[in-house]
Amino acid sequence: DAGVTQSPTHLIKTRGQHVTLRCSPISGHKSVSWYQQVLGQGPQFIFQYYEKEERGRGNFPDRFSARQFPNYSSELNVNALLLGDSALYLCASSLYGGGKPQHFGDGTRLSIL
Amino acid sequence: AQKVTQAQTEISVVEKEDVTLDCVYETRDTTYYLFWYKQPPSGELVFLIRRNSFDEQNEISGRYSWNFQKSTSSFNFTITASQVVDSAVYFCALKGNSGYSTLTFGKGTMLLVSP
Repeated sequence: DAGVTQSPTHLIKTRGQHVTLRCSPISGHKSVSWYQQVLGQGPQFIFQYYEKEERGRGNFPDRFSARQFPNYSSELNVNALLLGDSALYLCASSLYGGGKPQHFGDGTRLSIL
Repeated sequence: AQKVTQAQTEISVVEKEDVTLDCVYETRDTTYYLFWYKQPPSGELVFLIRRNSFDEQNEISGRYSWNFQKSTSSFNFTITASQVVDSAVYFCALKGNSGYSTLTFGKGTMLLVSP
């Protein structure tokens, strides 16, 4: 079975631009979460979507937005990119329920010049 | 608020040594879940194990074992007879009981296993 897939793998942008990252969950998983991981740190929660609705939002500015589509895939959008947005962006999918483990994709490595 | 602390930044061992990774957590939830993830240099986070807060039985799975102690809010992870392929960053993570709750990660422990 296919795991969580993310695209693109790498991305280079300049300050002020905007970026869209994409994620396809494991088949049957309706919950998708996004995390930001800067170098040397653990992943930080950005968004969670379930059944196409936002269910949780981390402490990130409004420049960050996301959505989930009817097929449960998801997009993360970041506007007005800053140097500090350089990070590995991870998408995770899971079955719904408190203890269900989240399964992660390989991530998109975003570099801002 | 939830918090996960991994005090060990980096551990270096020689192949075949046993190694224990420490994790201490804070939560107000009475029911919660603890996880360990492995992140090799390629970047993907790989799910390893999960423990429920209401089950303190410690288990062994192959070369992995874990010690969950609710009284000290600790969830330590041991790799027996380490191998070079175990070299990675290991993250401890905490999740509440709500379906909407998300993972709170520690800062990770880098494990270097040399031949």
